[in-house]
Amino acid sequence: KQEVTQIPAALSVPEGENLVLNCSFTDSAIYNLQWFRQDPGKGLTSLLLIQSSQREQTSGRLNASLDKSSGRSTLYIAASQPGDSATYLCAVFSNSGYALNFGKGTSLLVTP
Amino acid sequence: GAGVSQSPRYKVAKRGQDVALRCDPISGHVSLFWYQQALGQGPEFLTYFQNEAQLDKSGLPSDRFFAERPEGSVSTLKIQRTQQEDSAVYLCASSLASGTGSAEQYFGPGTRLTVT
Repeated sequence: KQEVTQIPAALSVPEGENLVLNCSFTDSAIYNLQWFRQDPGKGLTSLLLIQSSQREQTSGRLNASLDKSSGRSTLYIAASQPGDSATYLCAVFSNSGYALNFGKGTSLLVTP
Repeated sequence: GAGVSQSPRYKVAKRGQDVALRCDPISGHVSLFWYQQALGQGPEFLTYFQNEAQLDKSGLPSDRFFAERPEGSVSTLKIQRTQQEDSAVYLCASSLASGTGSAEQYFGPGTRLTVT
C-alpha cells in the first residue's frame, strides 16, 4: 500500500521567507503527484500536478519537483505571504489504484 | 459556478440516524471520487465511479456506507445507523479522465458530518 509522508507537520515563518515543504512516498510506480492547499473548514484547492514523466512544475511563486526514483517531491514557496497560511497536502496517484493517496499535510503559518 | 458542489455543507446527526450526502461534479466529468477526512488527517479514499459504474468501493469502512451515481452525474453517499466514529469531513472530487492517473482531480468544499 502506498504510504505518503509529509515533513514537517507544522511550520511557522516570517513573511518574505522562502520555504520548502517535503513529501515522500514508498511506491515509485506512480502516474502523477498533486499538491493541494486546504484552508480551515474548506475543501482542497489544487496547486500543481506533476506527471510521472515530468521533473517539476511551476505556478507563480510555487515550484514543485518530483524525483520518482527516490520517492520524493518538494514544494518550494518563494517570498511567502500571510495569505499563504494554510495546510498543504501532497497526494500520489499510484499505478495500482484509482485514488489519490494523501499525506497528513504540513500546516503553514506565515506571520506578518 | 462551474466547480464541484456538495450539500449539505454541515450535518449533525444523532447516533443511529441515516444520512445522505450529495455531490454535483463538474459537468462532463467522467470520474467521481468520495474521500473521508478525519480531523488532523489527510483524506482517505472511499469509493470511485466511472460514469454510473462503481469500479472501486474498497475504501468504504463498513456495509453501513453505500454510494450511488445512477445517471453518471450526481452522486449520493449514504451512511446508515451513524456512529460517532463516522464524524468527519466527506469530500467529493471529479476528474475528466476515465480512471487513469493522468487527470487532475477537482474537489468540492466537503460536508462536515458530526454524529452526537
